[in-house]
Amino acid sequence: GNSVTQMEGPVTLSEEAFLTINCTYTATGYPSLFWYVQYPGEGLQLLLKATKADDKGSNKGFEATYRKETTSFHLEKGSVQVSDSAVYFCALRRAAGNKLTFGGGTRVLVKP
Amino acid sequence: DAGVTQSPTHLIKTRGQQVTLRCSPKSGHDTVSWYQQALGQGPQFIFQYYEEEERQRGNFPDRFSGHQFPNYSSELNVNALLLGDSALYLCASSWDTSGSGETQYFGPGTRLLVL
Repeated sequence: GNSVTQMEGPVTLSEEAFLTINCTYTATGYPSLFWYVQYPGEGLQLLLKATKADDKGSNKGFEATYRKETTSFHLEKGSVQVSDSAVYFCALRRAAGNKLTFGGGTRVLVKP
Repeated sequence: DAGVTQSPTHLIKTRGQQVTLRCSPKSGHDTVSWYQQALGQGPQFIFQYYEEEERQRGNFPDRFSGHQFPNYSSELNVNALLLGDSALYLCASSWDTSGSGETQYFGPGTRLLVL
């Protein structure tokens, strides 16, 4: 079946540090890939997405590239801020309209 | 433009009771999906509704049921509540398309505590 594996947190960083969160997936066919972010006490917000191999999703300084050869979709940000403290979820969707399969989430804490 | 809304925000029930959670999708969206997020875990897919029918279901028992109304809003019902049903219940809406790239937008969730 489909599955998503993320690096375990928490990840603790200082402000302006470089952030990488690893995400790998297992799926048949060509899934779409997503990163969602969840701030404390809130629901999930879409951060970025990529729908085919070699696509790069980007938003708010975050980037992730769909790597089919390594079945990965790692999230990166060059310079984090305290406001980036949140839980980040990698997810895949196997076909349009299909369900989202999420990883376990990675908590990121950015200290001033 | 209102986003996805859910009610209530918090709920406390006791074992064996029944609960109904409600969701109004984002304007223009016709598909509603429900997810359960246990503490410290990623969301798990419960089911999806489109055109008032359950289109897909995850690995949840029949105690979990739902409904979609003609205005696309949806309800999630859970019968015979167990302690393990305590979780954040998330509703997501989307616009059904035949191609890829459709995005699901999430509501703030309903936090259910079963005592």
